[in-house]
Amino acid sequence: EPEVTQTPSHQVTQMGQEVILRCVPISNHLYFYWYRQILGQKVEFLVSFYNNEISEKSEIFDDQFSVERPDGSNFTLKIRSTKLEDSAMYFCASSPLKSSTDTQYFGPGTRLTVL
Amino acid sequence: DAKTTQPPSMDCAEGRAANLPCNHSTISGNEYVYWYRQIHSQGPQYIIHGLKNNETNEMASLIITEDRKSSTLILPHATLRDTAVYYCIVRGLNAGNNRKLIWGLGTSLAVNP
Repeated sequence: EPEVTQTPSHQVTQMGQEVILRCVPISNHLYFYWYRQILGQKVEFLVSFYNNEISEKSEIFDDQFSVERPDGSNFTLKIRSTKLEDSAMYFCASSPLKSSTDTQYFGPGTRLTVL
Repeated sequence: DAKTTQPPSMDCAEGRAANLPCNHSTISGNEYVYWYRQIHSQGPQYIIHGLKNNETNEMASLIITEDRKSSTLILPHATLRDTAVYYCIVRGLNAGNNRKLIWGLGTSLAVNP
C-alpha cells in the first residue's frame, strides 16, 4: 500500500539555523500539506499546496517558512531561521483530489528539536 | 476551532467493542465527518469518513445520527494496538481552497488486557 514518507525522522538544530524537512507524497496525489504538533498540543495546519503554489496557509506559516516541490516526487518545508518554539513534530500529508473523496494521508512525521 | 466535541478519555476491554462518540451539532449539509487516530505521536492514520449514511470498512464502522448532529465510531473487537488518540473532524468535501483539517484534542482510548 502506498505511503507518505518523511525524512529525517529526527532533526536537531541550533536556534537560528535553517532546516529543510522532506516528504515524498503518495505518487498519484496532487494536493500536499504540512501540519505540526507541539508536544502535548493539538495538531495544527500550516500550509496546503496544489499545482505548484500555496493554496492556503495558517497564521503560523509566516515569512520564516516556505514550501517547495523541487521535482516530481519531493515536497519540502524550509524554516529559514529556527526558533525554540519551532520544536515540534512536523507531519506531511497528501490527498488525491478525486471528485468523490479527498482523504488526507499522513507520513510518520519529523521530530524537530531546536536548541 | 474544531467543530466537534469528544470525551477526553475512554477505556475498553480487549476483545470488546469500543464505541467512541462525537458531537458535531453545528455541522452543515455539505460537511463530512472524518475519523483519524494517532498512536503515540506517530502520524495520524485515516480510519473512515461519512456524510449521512452509516459506513463500514475493514477498520471500523461509523454510525451517524439521522439529524447528523452526532456520530459514533465503533471498533468492533478492540485490541491493544488500538490504544490511541481518536479524532473526529468535520470538513466540507472539495471545499475549494479550504481543505485544511482542524483538529481538536480527541479521545484517548486505552484498551486494557
